[in-house]
Amino acid sequence: EVQLVESGGGLVKPGRSLRLSCTASGFTFGDYAMSWFRQAPGKGLEWVGFIRSKAYGGTTEYAASVKGRFTISRDDSKSIAYLQMNSLKTEDTAVYYCTRDATTFVYWGQGTLVTVSS
Amino acid sequence: DIQMTQSPSSLSASVGDRVTITCQASQDISNYLNWYQQKPGKAPKLLIYDASNLETGVPSRFSGSGSGTDFTFTISSLQPEDIATYYCQQYDNLPPVFGPGTKVDIK
Repeated sequence: EVQLVESGGGLVKPGRSLRLSCTASGFTFGDYAMSWFRQAPGKGLEWVGFIRSKAYGGTTEYAASVKGRFTISRDDSKSIAYLQMNSLKTEDTAVYYCTRDATTFVYWGQGTLVTVSS
Repeated sequence: DIQMTQSPSSLSASVGDRVTITCQASQDISNYLNWYQQKPGKAPKLLIYDASNLETGVPSRFSGSGSGTDFTFTISSLQPEDIATYYCQQYDNLPPVFGPGTKVDIK
């Protein structure tokens, strides 16, 4: 059974950093791209970015709203994808979800809440 | 970026009613369109992929159609457990944009 579990969310002050983790199980992690989405309170789903599998270069793509501040990485030996968030803004407050793949999203984590507030 | 619109933004219907949601893309996306259901406090769930294909395990009362820029999602007979927000999502181009959602509740 495919499982994705996010962790690392919490309350953080504007300008600070936070790293989210997405621990995967039930599939060969290294074979798949991993994506991150977020959902601000009461709002819709926003793509944050994704990381390709090593077979496709392990490269990353980001939404314009986070480019230069957020970094996605992966540790295939541990089956974990990371979302490093720097220079956080109040508008980054959201539930953050990791998902498998880059185009059609069957598998999602339960989400982790990030609140950016002074 | 491709823009996605949905209508209506919300609707209220009776149990057993046929419910239809439309989704429009700002440019031709062929059939690269998925539909998701999201219940409060939960992650989205894929219902329809490639515009018209039912995901495994999803009840047959859900269906999708369309291609190009105009798409339709239908619940043939609304059930109480279908109360949720429904989103379309394109994946023809990066970024994979979701529509703004349609909130469905019971009248």
